[in-house]
Amino acid sequence: EAGVTQFPSHSVIEKGQTVTLRCDPISGHDNLYWYRRVMGKEIKFLLHFVKESKQDESGMPNNRFLAERTGGTYSTLKVQPAELEDSGVYFCASSQVFGAAGTGELFFGEGSRLTVL
Amino acid sequence: GQQVMQIPQYQHVQEGEDFTTYCNSSTTLSNIQWYKQRPGGHPVFLIQLVKSGEVKKQKRLTFQFGEAKKNSSLHITATQTTDVGTYFCARNAGGTSYGKLTFGQGTILTVHP
Repeated sequence: EAGVTQFPSHSVIEKGQTVTLRCDPISGHDNLYWYRRVMGKEIKFLLHFVKESKQDESGMPNNRFLAERTGGTYSTLKVQPAELEDSGVYFCASSQVFGAAGTGELFFGEGSRLTVL
Repeated sequence: GQQVMQIPQYQHVQEGEDFTTYCNSSTTLSNIQWYKQRPGGHPVFLIQLVKSGEVKKQKRLTFQFGEAKKNSSLHITATQTTDVGTYFCARNAGGTSYGKLTFGQGTILTVHP
């Protein structure tokens, strides 16, 4: 079974440009999450989709970040315009079952490393 | 916010020595998860603890959840070079926010052969 896949693995852009990150969750996983790790800091929650709906987007830093999950399959995270402080590794994760019915495991992708110059 | 504090930040050990990382919260945790991230890799789920005082073992790894559900620990017995990586604890928000994890800062473990 394929794991969570993310593209691109690394992106280097200039400040002010736009970048779109893509995440393909494990097939059948309704829950999709975006997390970010800025260098030297802890991994932080950005948002959570249940199928195509945003369940929680409380971690999104500002309105330069836009996440979508059309059709409840893959998701994209667009940063426009990018700023220097947006640099970091963006992880996508998916899970199938909530609560006591499952192990609680989130399956993380390899991450997309974003460098803004 | 409901932060999770993790110590130590770094730990260097000789192969064969034991290793422990600790996770503390000022508020009661509904559950705690542990992840391992190899250098250059992504977080990989190790375990979730839910019950007060719970102790779970996975080969050389022992996970504990405090009686008050405010702290947790991960202990590795007789470390091996394959144990190298960053170990994170994470609080799971639960309910409709299940999967919204609040991570600790992580403990970076290096093992010298």
